[in-house]
Amino acid sequence: NAGVTQTPKFQVLKTGQSMTLQCAQDMNHNSMYWYRQDPGMGLRLIYYSASEGTTDKGEVPNGYNVSRLNKREFSLRLESAAPSQTSVYFCASRSLAELFFGEGSRLTVL
Amino acid sequence: GESVGLHLPTLSVQEGDNSIINCAYSNSASDYFIWYKQESGKGPQFIIDIRSNMDKRQGQRVTVLLNKTVKHLSLQIAATQPGDSAVYFCAENSSGGYNKLIFGAGTRLAVHP
Repeated sequence: NAGVTQTPKFQVLKTGQSMTLQCAQDMNHNSMYWYRQDPGMGLRLIYYSASEGTTDKGEVPNGYNVSRLNKREFSLRLESAAPSQTSVYFCASRSLAELFFGEGSRLTVL
Repeated sequence: GESVGLHLPTLSVQEGDNSIINCAYSNSASDYFIWYKQESGKGPQFIIDIRSNMDKRQGQRVTVLLNKTVKHLSLQIAATQPGDSAVYFCAENSSGGYNKLIFGAGTRLAVHP
């Protein structure tokens, strides 16, 4: 089992470019999440999907969109990247109360 | 590697000593708390959790203590090992559900031989 897989692991964008972060889990979990992690701060929830076909905003949704493509996959899109979106992004899925995280995607916006 | 630990409070301990990592949570209505460990370059991993109807829970080499009166959570690691070096986060379910956990900023644990 791979658990939660995120791609890409690293990406550099210019301001205004768009990109999509991909996430897939093979644990048959219903709920999936996207967080961002910035230096000196805890993880902040961007969007989540409680089940296939539903998505909801988290704490910091502005500038992002998500798609729950199927039960396995939950993608995060930046339509017009800004330097403030430079961060490490983590995807997670949940079983009962426990979150399982991917290894992160480091995004730099110049 | 990850830069998340650069601006965090750091606890330095000697190998074999016990470590205590503290966390103040924000919402007195939170009823579920979790500790996560994040090693450099990796995603957070679940360590242990506790519900508000308990004040102590033990796992393998770890103990979580909950003091609801002062909204304080602590993680105790017995016989700390070099492999315990990581950033540790506490989280609370401030909204009462599992979908919107609130994470603390984290504490970096450095274990010295």
